[in-house]
Amino acid sequence: QSALTQPASVSGSPGQSITISCTGTSSDVGGFNFVSWYQQHPGKAPKLLIFDVTNRPSGVSDRFSASKSGNTASLTISGLQADDESVYYCSSYRGDNTGVFGTGTMVTV
Amino acid sequence: QVQLVQSGTEVKKPGASLKVSCKSSGYSFAGYYLHWVRQAPGQGLEWMGWINPNGGSTNYAQKFRDRVTMTTDRSISTAYIELSSLRSDDTAIYYCARVSPYSGNYYTLDFWGQGTLVTVSS
Repeated sequence: QSALTQPASVSGSPGQSITISCTGTSSDVGGFNFVSWYQQHPGKAPKLLIFDVTNRPSGVSDRFSASKSGNTASLTISGLQADDESVYYCSSYRGDNTGVFGTGTMVTV
Repeated sequence: QVQLVQSGTEVKKPGASLKVSCKSSGYSFAGYYLHWVRQAPGQGLEWMGWINPNGGSTNYAQKFRDRVTMTTDRSISTAYIELSSLRSDDTAIYYCARVSPYSGNYYTLDFWGQGTLVTVSS
């Protein structure tokens, strides 16, 4: 059961926008609208940013947005800030009633 | 407020078993599935499985199916994960996490425990 594929790192300057991709298969990302995104700062537990492909939990900045096309989901961070420097993980439900995370993307500001 | 508080750091020898606890508060424990996720040092997140505290049904990742047991004690709002036949590559931070009530599936995790570091070494 392989992980979803994310770029190892993405960088941007303060104020810019960046996009992180998350590629799976038709059995997970492409087959269901159940993609989530998490932010994890060093030494901390992951924090939910996006669920069900595009939805933000209460309290999450609207600078975080997400979408999906086919087997690839994407997270966009606009107006990049220093505190956005973190590792970001996507995750998805799989059709065999299991879950899977992405490989993780280090964002450098 | 919702809180998941996990047990402390563990050091285990290869072949031993571990049991990590996750005490929930601030919500109805029986109403939300709990997942376990682990993270090896410097590595990504790995989904291990879930348990439904209301009834105790479980679903484990294939990789762990022969070594893992997830249980709950509803009387103290606590979930447990047991992993047997430990190997050095089981060294990781183990997290419990609650399913979000707002998502359309049981795999969106909105509150996480602080993590429990487990080191397997001879």
